[in-house]
Amino acid sequence: GAVVSQHPSRVICKSGTSVKIECRSLDFQATTMFWYRQFPKKSLMLMATSNEGSKATYEQGVEKDKFLINHASLTLSTLTVTSAHPEDSSFYICSAALGQVIPDTQYFGPGTRLTVL
Amino acid sequence: LAKTTQPISMDSYEGQEVNITCSHNNIATNDYITWYQQFPSQGPRFIIQGYKTKVTNEVASLFIPADRKSSTLSLPRVSLSDTAVYYCLVGLTNDYKLSFGAGTTVTVRA
Repeated sequence: GAVVSQHPSRVICKSGTSVKIECRSLDFQATTMFWYRQFPKKSLMLMATSNEGSKATYEQGVEKDKFLINHASLTLSTLTVTSAHPEDSSFYICSAALGQVIPDTQYFGPGTRLTVL
Repeated sequence: LAKTTQPISMDSYEGQEVNITCSHNNIATNDYITWYQQFPSQGPRFIIQGYKTKVTNEVASLFIPADRKSSTLSLPRVSLSDTAVYYCLVGLTNDYKLSFGAGTTVTVRA
C-alpha cells in the first residue's frame, strides 16, 4: 500500500517554457502533499506543503510565482515550473501523507528529472 | 524541527550487519523517528518508524533508547542492493514537515 506516482519521470524542455509535474496517491487519499527538489549528491530540500483545497505554503526562498502548486483533489497535486531556466534543472520529488493521523508518515513518489536547455 | 546528525558514510561487506546511529538531541515529546532509503534518481523509500524501544519489520530493526536522543537503524545481512543513502528524520506530529539532513551513504562491497 501507500503508493505515490509521478508523471512524467523525466522531461527536457527549452528555456522559457513551462512544465507541469503530476503527483498522485494511488491507494490512499492524501490530505497533504509535499514537494521537494534535490540537486546531484545533495539532500532533499522541501519547497512547499500542499493541502487539498487550500493554497500551498512555500518554504523561505522558494518563489511561489515560479513554482505553482495546485492540490485540486485528495489524490492529485501538480507542480508547474513556469518560465523554466537551466538553473531550474533538478530532481523534483513529491510525497503524500494521510493527514490527521499520528504519526503521519510521508510516502514518496519516484521523482521527476527536469532538464532545461 | 528536530535536527539530526548521522555519519556521512559507512562501508560494509555482503552478509554483515550494518548499524547506523542517528543523534536527535532536541527531539520533541510527540516526535516519531522515521528512516528512509534512497537509491540514485529515485524517491526515498520508507524503511521503518518508531517512537520508543525497539521496532522490527521484515527489512530492518530500529532501536530507540529510553531518552530518545538517538536511534539506531540495524540492517541485518546486507547485500549489494542495500547500497544507498539512508536518512533519519524526526517529526510527524506537531509539524508534518520533514527536514532531511545529509543522510548516510552506505556502500556494501562483495
